[in-house]
Amino acid sequence: AQSVTQLGSHVSVSEGALVLLRCNYSSSVPPYLFWYVQYPNQGLQLLLKYTTGATLVKGINGFEAEFKKSETSFHLTKPSAHMSDAAEYFCAVRRYTGRRALTFGSGTRLQVQP
Amino acid sequence: NAGVTQTPKFQVLKTGQSMTLQCAQDMNHNSMYWYRQDPGMGLRLIYYSASEGTTDKGEVPNGYNVSRLNKREFSLRLESAAPSQTSVYFCASSEVDAREAFFGQGTRLTVV
Repeated sequence: AQSVTQLGSHVSVSEGALVLLRCNYSSSVPPYLFWYVQYPNQGLQLLLKYTTGATLVKGINGFEAEFKKSETSFHLTKPSAHMSDAAEYFCAVRRYTGRRALTFGSGTRLQVQP
Repeated sequence: NAGVTQTPKFQVLKTGQSMTLQCAQDMNHNSMYWYRQDPGMGLRLIYYSASEGTTDKGEVPNGYNVSRLNKREFSLRLESAAPSQTSVYFCASSEVDAREAFFGQGTRLTVV
């Protein structure tokens, strides 16, 4: 069964610092990969996704992620954190075949300090 | 464009009561999903419907039933609520290949 591991349930950075949120997946075949963001008391919003093609994926709000097959990773980065980035971030995967639903990691809450 | 609409937004139930959570999408998507979100556990799939007329169990289906009423609507029913079902419930929809799922705003359910 595929699974998703997000390292660090809480990450705190200073405004203007690099944001790095880690995600590793376990799958015998590289799946589709996603990052979602959840602001307080709201639903989930898609930040970016990798399906096929270029392994460096750019998303909304200046975020990007790189698919590394050899490391089974899909880490999320942003060069310079903004206060408005404070939220919970979820990594998710979906297999090419079989159940066509997303499997989510446990989430990482990002805190941005002034 | 409303996207995915869930009702109600908040609900308090007593143990043993029943209720139905409603979900509707206006994006003409074939697939719909119900997830629950609990602290430190991410979102876990309860049931999903790949297309109209079909439903399948997810990771945590016990205590729940679903109905895909038509292409737009997918409801989740708790027949006899338990405190362990206190959670935030999210409905989502996607095209059949699930390359992107769109989420509702959630229903915060408390069972006392």
